[in-house]
Amino acid sequence: KQEVTQIPAALSVPEGENLALNCSFTDSAIYNLQWFRQDPGKGLTSLLLIQSSQREQTSGRLNASLDKSSGRSTLYIAASQPGDSATYLCAVLTGTASKLTFGTGTRLQVTL
Amino acid sequence: DGGITQSPKYLFRKEGQNVTLSCEQNLNHDAMYWYRQDPGQGLRLIYYSQIVNDFQKGDIAEGYSVSREKKESFPLTVTSAQKNPTAFYLCASSIWGSDEQYFGPGTRLTVT
Repeated sequence: KQEVTQIPAALSVPEGENLALNCSFTDSAIYNLQWFRQDPGKGLTSLLLIQSSQREQTSGRLNASLDKSSGRSTLYIAASQPGDSATYLCAVLTGTASKLTFGTGTRLQVTL
Repeated sequence: DGGITQSPKYLFRKEGQNVTLSCEQNLNHDAMYWYRQDPGQGLRLIYYSQIVNDFQKGDIAEGYSVSREKKESFPLTVTSAQKNPTAFYLCASSIWGSDEQYFGPGTRLTVT
């Protein structure tokens, strides 16, 4: 059974810092990995999707890497801003039926 | 505007009552999903549907029921058999076989 872990559970950084959020998964037979952002009490917004054949994806200040063999992904946020404060979730797609397995998330706070 | 709507945003019920959560999408997506989110936990899949008039149990289907009579709609009923119904419920949709799921804003259900 696939398990997804995100460490740390919470992170506080000053504005302007570059930061890395980690995601690990137990079964390397994934189709893809997605990073989502969730603001308090809201739904999920997709940030980046990395196919299993890819090593990384970039969107603006966000960059996500994928090392399938070691079961790890890292979301890098450059020049963090207070507006980046949110919970970041990673999810992996395995098996049939487009079933996503989610991590528990990292709650990020960027302070002024 | 294309997207997924969930209503209501907040729902309160007494223990022992069934309650139905609405999910509608106008993205012309084939597949729809219901997830449950509890504090400090990742999203867990309740039910999913690939096409109209067909749906499958997810990881935590006990105490829930769904229907898929129209492509656009996938309502979730939380029955009195669900032992811990208080949670945040998220609906998602995707093109079947596609990698990316799109999420609605969620419904927070409180049962007392």
